[in-house]
This record gives sequence, structure tokens and C-alpha cells, in this order.
Amino acid sequence: GNSVTQMEGPVTLSEEAFLTINCTYTATGYPSLFWYVQYPGEGLQLLLKATKADDKGSNKGFEATYRKETTSFHLEKGSVQVSDSAVYFCALSDRMTGANNLFFGTGTRLTVIP
Amino acid sequence: EPEVTQTPSHQVTQMGQEVILRCVPISNHLYFYWYRQILGQKVEFLVSFYNNEISEKSEIFDDQFSVERPDGSNFTLKIRSTKLEDSAMYFCASSEFSGRGAYNEQFFGPGTRLTVL
Repeated sequence: GNSVTQMEGPVTLSEEAFLTINCTYTATGYPSLFWYVQYPGEGLQLLLKATKADDKGSNKGFEATYRKETTSFHLEKGSVQVSDSAVYFCALSDRMTGANNLFFGTGTRLTVIP
Repeated sequence: EPEVTQTPSHQVTQMGQEVILRCVPISNHLYFYWYRQILGQKVEFLVSFYNNEISEKSEIFDDQFSVERPDGSNFTLKIRSTKLEDSAMYFCASSEFSGRGAYNEQFFGPGTRLTVL
């Protein structure tokens, strides 16, 4: 089946620190992989995505590379800001089934302190 | 910028009562979804809806649940007789048409926190 395992939180970092949030997946087909972010009081927003192996998704300084050999899609940012404080969700969509529903991890809460 | 809205933001109900959670998807979107997140657990897919019928549903979406698009703008999730374990954050999402093998970004609402006492 399809599932996502995500690094447990919460994560607290100082401003300008390096961020890594680990995500590994299990999929039956050929998944697309996503990172969603949820800022306080708001809905889930797509942060970045990768649709095939070795693709790198990037947005707002965040990056994640689709690694088929390690079934991973770790989120990284070189220098976090206070405004990055949010909950981050790793997710996959199994395109081969034709369904568009997303399989999510549990979410990782990131707090960046000045 | 268009967004998905959900009401109420927090709903408290007694066990056994019916609840209706409301969502207004983005106006030109054709696919609609409900997800839920029990505290501390994963966000789980419940159901997708297209062309006025259920497209996909998970094992969670049993006979106690139903969805409806009563008019051109609202998309509702009804829980007929709530149980304690229905307490969760419920997220609505919408996307443009998605065909097999393709993916369209899903836009999420802020969620409704349902508390069943």
C-alpha cells in the first residue's frame, strides 16, 4: 500500500540554522511526492513537489529531491527564518491508480526562534 | 487570491448528534475532497467528489458519512451520528480537473475542528 513516514517533531531551530525534515515513503505505483506547509490558522499549502525519480522540487529556499533508491523525499533549507515557523507535511499521490487523493505523514512542527 | 473556506472553525457536539461541516471550494474547481486529522495522527483521505458523485472513498468513509454539493458553491460533509472517535480536524480541498496519470494541485481550507463529547 501507500504510506508516508515523517520525522517526528517538534523541531526548534535558531534563525539562520540549517533545516532537514526526513520523509520516507512506501508506494505501489509511481508516486508523485509533495511537501505541504500549514501556517497558524491557515490551510495546507503546497510548498513543493516532484513527480519522478531524481526530480528536485524547490520553493522559497526549500528543496527536496525524489530519491527512488532510498524511497525518500527529505525537506531542506539552508537558512531558516522566523517566518518559516509552521507545520510541514510530506505527502504522496499514486498516479497509476488514477485517484488524486493524497497520503500524508503526521506533520512536523517547526519553530524558529530569533 | 481565491481560497477554500470552511465553516465553522470549531464545532462541539454531543455523541450521537448529527453534524454538517461546510466548505466553499474555489469557484472554477471541479474536484472536491475531505480529509481528517485525529490529534497526533496522520492526515487521512476520506472522500473525493466529482460531477455530483463520489469518485473515491477510503475505508473510514462508512455509512455514517455522506457528502453533498447542495448548490453551486457549497460542499458539505455530514456525519449522521457522531462518535467520540470522530473528534478530529476536518480539511476540505478542491482542485481543477485531474485525469488518470496527472496531478492537479489541491487547495486546502483552514479546517474545522470537531469535538465530540
